Amino acid sequence: SQQGEEDPQALSIQEGENATMNCSYKTSINNLQWYRQNSGRGLVHLILIRSNEREKHSGRLRVTLDTSKKSSSLLITASRAADTASYFCATDAGGQNFVFGPGTRLSVLP
Amino acid sequence: NAGVTQTPKFQVLKTGQSMTLQCAQDMNHEYMSWYRQDPGMGLRLIHYSVGAGITDQGEVPNGYNVSRSTTEDFPLRLLSAAPSQTSVYFCASRFSWGKSEKLFFGSGTQLSVL
Repeated sequence: SQQGEEDPQALSIQEGENATMNCSYKTSINNLQWYRQNSGRGLVHLILIRSNEREKHSGRLRVTLDTSKKSSSLLITASRAADTASYFCATDAGGQNFVFGPGTRLSVLP
Repeated sequence: NAGVTQTPKFQVLKTGQSMTLQCAQDMNHEYMSWYRQDPGMGLRLIHYSVGAGITDQGEVPNGYNVSRSTTEDFPLRLLSAAPSQTSVYFCASRFSWGKSEKLFFGSGTQLSVL
């Protein structure tokens, strides 16, 4: 069964707007990661946040983690057409593997 | 630096045929894995390996075999293809160093089983 669930499933915004995606998970984790997948390509790592961290920034990305609610959010500020992609959260629950959610499909309209 | 290389990019099989999806990485990563991606279901882990000679099952291993004879290569074998195995397959290797950890993915193999 999937550990992470992204919300919304699909999001459409105008260029320049901010995009927020959420991820909920079920069990305790060591860390949570966000990945991006452009159409027809493999996933690319964006950012990792550890269970003892609450917020991290990387360029136009901001990730928050609330372990009490078992949820994370990914904010992309000042979105661009090139941000159009699917975004996945992946959780590390202490085993060997990451577990991925079904993803949020983001469309940024020019 | 090539990263993770998957071949072929596309493949069409008939039910019952067998084939091998190739995966190679040049980053000397110990951990490698295979995922399948189906619409609305994210990535599901098929098999993984934590080093040469060591493999283990993931969430959806039935119908697939793997081996890991070298650090670089991690092929995925479909023993007798079924339409339910129509999917996009991704190979990934993992980088871990201190507090940094991430998966590197290949570009995928789109498989259709008729």
